Amino acid sequence: QSALTQPRSVSGSPGQSVTISCSGTSSDVGAYSYVSWYQQHPGKVPTLIIYGVTKRPSGVPDRFSASKSGNTASLTISGLRPDDEADYYCCSYAGSYITVFGTGTKVTVL
Amino acid sequence: QVTLRESGPALVKPTQTLTLTCTFSGFSLSTSAFYVSWVRQSPGKALEWLAFVDWDDDKYYSPSLKTRLAISKDTSKNQVVLTMTNMDPADTGTYYCARMLHHENYFDYWGPGMLVTVSS
Repeated sequence: QSALTQPRSVSGSPGQSVTISCSGTSSDVGAYSYVSWYQQHPGKVPTLIIYGVTKRPSGVPDRFSASKSGNTASLTISGLRPDDEADYYCCSYAGSYITVFGTGTKVTVL
Repeated sequence: QVTLRESGPALVKPTQTLTLTCTFSGFSLSTSAFYVSWVRQSPGKALEWLAFVDWDDDKYYSPSLKTRLAISKDTSKNQVVLTMTNMDPADTGTYYCARMLHHENYFDYWGPGMLVTVSS
């Protein structure tokens, strides 16, 4: 099972929007509605920001939104803030009780 | 309040077996609501899912590592143990245990992580 493919980095200015793609296959992202996203600040523990493709846990601001089309999931951060600067990972169920993470994307706030 | 915490050796030698323990509280592995999973992260690299165990003691492993991994649970102690055999310097990294929701496949609570270095 290969890792899901994410861009290495994306950047934007404060207040702008950035979108991170997560490319999988018809056996993982394309097959199930079990895509989640995690934010990880340097040296910190990953935290859940999206689950079930589009759902936000309580406490996660609605500036974070997500979607899926075919084999690609996407995370959009609107109204970019300095504290959004972090690594972001997508994650998907891949069948047969296997979970696969993405390669990770570093978001830089310019 | 849900908490998880990893414990084990910070340093292991190549070819040795690593044993990590996840001690958790605030939920039970005796009900069909949760799994406990292990995830690792090599320095500067991406997260990698390793294994999980469910309430029924069913165990599931990353295909690329399944020959080296074993996961077990002790429900009475609220602990999950991961062993990884034949450790290599490439296995150096932070090992996290995390709670997963049954049939939802996401990690809602994570332990602080345990840095394991493989070196002679």
